[in-house]
Amino acid sequence: EAGVTQFPSHSVIEKGQTVTLRCDPISGHDNLYWYRRVMGKEIKFLLHFVKESKQDESGMPNNRFLAERTGGTYSTLKVQPAELEDSGVYFCASSQDRGGIVNTEAFFGQGTRLTVV
Amino acid sequence: AQSVTQLGSHVSVSEGALVLLRCNYSSSVPPYLFWYVQYPNQGLQLLLKYTTGATLVKGINGFEAEFKKSETSFHLTKPSAHMSDAAEYFCAVSGFTGGFKTIFGAGTRLFVKA
Repeated sequence: EAGVTQFPSHSVIEKGQTVTLRCDPISGHDNLYWYRRVMGKEIKFLLHFVKESKQDESGMPNNRFLAERTGGTYSTLKVQPAELEDSGVYFCASSQDRGGIVNTEAFFGQGTRLTVV
Repeated sequence: AQSVTQLGSHVSVSEGALVLLRCNYSSSVPPYLFWYVQYPNQGLQLLLKYTTGATLVKGINGFEAEFKKSETSFHLTKPSAHMSDAAEYFCAVSGFTGGFKTIFGAGTRLFVKA
């Protein structure tokens, strides 16, 4: 079974440009999370999807960030326009609810390293 | 609210020595606790987790951690370090509050000297 897959693995863009990150969760996982680690700081929660609905987007830093999850499958995270402080590693994770019992483990992708220059 | 504190951003041990990475948490509800490892140029990998039951949890690669509720701690240990253990380790907590989102500590980078 494939794990959580993120594309691209690396992205270097100029300040002001747009970048779209993609996450393919494990098949059948309703919960999808985005996290970010800015250089030298802790991994921080960005948002949580349950299927196609945003359950919690309290961690989104500002309105330059837009996350979508079309059809409850893969998710995209768009940064527009990108700023220097957006540089970091963006992680995606997914987990599965089993019969109403929330799964306790989230599976993480490899991350996308974003560099804004 | 939940939070995690990892003591020491860098830990250095000699090969064969005990590894001890410290983690304290704060949670208003029974927590689920995790240790993740990130090897260079790789993603996050789950080492071990505590949900309920036995407080001493064994994970992969010889690591284990003990949940101590009275001390709100979940320290990670390994009796004998190996060069391949050099990586960054993250303690994390999740729970019924916040939709089971994972709250991470700042990470501890482990160096293993030959």
